Amino acid sequence: KQEVTQIPAALSVPEGENLVLNCSFTDSAIYNLQWFRQDPGKGLTSLLLIQSSQREQTSGRLNASLDKSSGRSTLYIAASQPGDSATYLCAVRSNTGKLIFGQGTTLQVKP
Amino acid sequence: NAGVTQTPKFRILKIGQSMTLQCTQDMNHNYMYWYRQDPGMGLKLIYYSVGAGITDKGEVPNGYNVSRSTTEDFPLRLELAAPSQTSVYFCASSYGLVNTEAFFGQGTRLTVV
Repeated sequence: KQEVTQIPAALSVPEGENLVLNCSFTDSAIYNLQWFRQDPGKGLTSLLLIQSSQREQTSGRLNASLDKSSGRSTLYIAASQPGDSATYLCAVRSNTGKLIFGQGTTLQVKP
Repeated sequence: NAGVTQTPKFRILKIGQSMTLQCTQDMNHNYMYWYRQDPGMGLKLIYYSVGAGITDKGEVPNGYNVSRSTTEDFPLRLELAAPSQTSVYFCASSYGLVNTEAFFGQGTRLTVV
């Protein structure tokens, strides 16, 4: 059974700081991993999709890495801004088609 | 571009009532998913479908039923609503498994009283 864990559960940083969010999964037989952002009371917005054959993906100030063999992914946010405050969720897609989520990391960036 | 559309957005049910949460997508996606999200938690998979006529259980299927008679629609049925089913429900879809993102609807906030 695939289990996805995100650490830390919450994070508060001053504006401008670089930060790393962690995601780990127990079954390495995955097709891909996707990072999402969720604002309070809203739906999910896709940030980055990283295939199982890839090591990293970048979009603007965001960089996601994947180490499938060790069951780990990180989301790196450079030069954080107050507008980055949100909950960040990772999800892994297994070879059965299931898309399993971690519990999320709630980020607060203080001005 | 409609994407993934969920209806209704909000609903209050009494214990024991039934209802269907609707989800439709216009992207010709094969894979569709239903999740619930409790306060402060991640998303738990209820049911998913890999194509029309094919459904399978997720992590928390008890108390729910689904059907997938068309590619576009994936309704979620609650037969006997219980307070434990108070949650926000999200529907998602993706085209396939490889190199395809999952897209989400805006959610249905359900309260059972």
